[in-house]
This record gives sequence, C-alpha cells and structure tokens, in this order.
Amino acid sequence: GAVVSQHPSRVICKSGTSVKIECRSLDFQATTMFWYRQFPKQSLMLMATSNEGSKATYEQGVEKDKFLINHASLTLSTLTVTSAHPEDSSFYICSAELEAETQYFGPGTRLLVL
Amino acid sequence: RKEVEQDPGPFNVPEGATVAFNCTYSNSASQSFFWYRQDCRKEPKLLMSVYSSGNEDGRFTAQLNRASQYISLLIRDSKLSDSATYLCVVSAGGTSYGKLTFGQGTILTVHP
Repeated sequence: GAVVSQHPSRVICKSGTSVKIECRSLDFQATTMFWYRQFPKQSLMLMATSNEGSKATYEQGVEKDKFLINHASLTLSTLTVTSAHPEDSSFYICSAELEAETQYFGPGTRLLVL
Repeated sequence: RKEVEQDPGPFNVPEGATVAFNCTYSNSASQSFFWYRQDCRKEPKLLMSVYSSGNEDGRFTAQLNRASQYISLLIRDSKLSDSATYLCVVSAGGTSYGKLTFGQGTILTVHP
C-alpha cells in the first residue's frame, strides 16, 4: 500500500517556540494532503486541507497564522506550529490522498509543549 | 449533535465472539463511508469502505442504511488482534469532497 511518513515522530519543546512537522508521501504523488489533530480520548479533527501549489484551506476555529501549512511539492507538506503553548500539545497526523477519497495516514507526531 | 456518532464502548468480548458496532451520521449529503481501525498511539488504518449494498471482507461485514443514516460493522469470530478502536468515518461530497469526518471511535477489547 501507499506509504506516508512524518517527521519527527515526537517532539518536546518549550512554550513560545515553533515546531515544524513534515509529511511525505514516499511512493506516490499527492496533490492533496490533510492535517488532523487528536487529543487524548478524542477522535481525529481535521485542521486543514493542504493543496500543492496553493494556499491551505483551514477548518473553522483553526488559526491559519498559528498553524502554517506549506505544500511546496507533490510529496511534501509541512505544518508549523508557531509560538506553541501547552494547549497545543496533541497528536498531529497527516494524510495524503492517493485517489478519490482514499487517504493514507502518516504515523503521527506527538507534540508536547512544556 | 455530532456529525458522526458512535457508541464509545468499551466492548469487552471473549475470543470467538461476534460483536457489532453502530454509527449514525447527520449530514444527509454524505457520499462515502468507511471503517478505520486505530491501535493505541498509532495512526488510523483503513479497514474497509462501506457500500449501500453491504459488503464483506473475511470476518468483517459492513452495512449502510442511507435512509436511516446508519452504518454498522460486524466482526465475527473475534481474535485477540482485533482489539483496537474502530472509527466510523464519513466523507461529504460537493465542496467538502475528500474531507473525512471521524466518529469518536468504539473501543474493542478481545480477551482470551
């Protein structure tokens, strides 16, 4: 099956710093990638849709200036959490769309902001 | 009302049991339906798509009732390895094409 990687797998940072998470489709090209967030004991919540070569589309309630998304190539999307705070601590998961409505998920990044 | 609702469980069943999960969705314009499986601290993995005619994949059977906006998953002959959280996932069409909405998940524990 299609493989999606994420880096780093986990990160611990101090409050106020910025953290960049990379999402790569390893064996296919993805025009569209998605970024999700999952808090403990909750389901995945879509944060934004990342489209190669254009601006990301953010879901209601997600601050675009805080969660910067760049999809510069067909195999790479990045999510930067700017000025991270403890409430941003979560499990961030990306997915890449291989074909219509078929998404393959990355292994996720655990962010802990102290 | 949540867009996708599931009974969170947990369901604790012995090996070999049959267990059924239910899910309802609120958006009548939803186009595609899926069951995903998520192991603890891991990413979701697609278990199966759900079609209106119902579909089966080995021990797993999925059903969709569009009129009732209801989706089900039946697992027969449960294995220890089936222990996981099962996520009901819905995709709307139109301007929301491709966007997945996840239910909160149903926790299944299969014990010896």
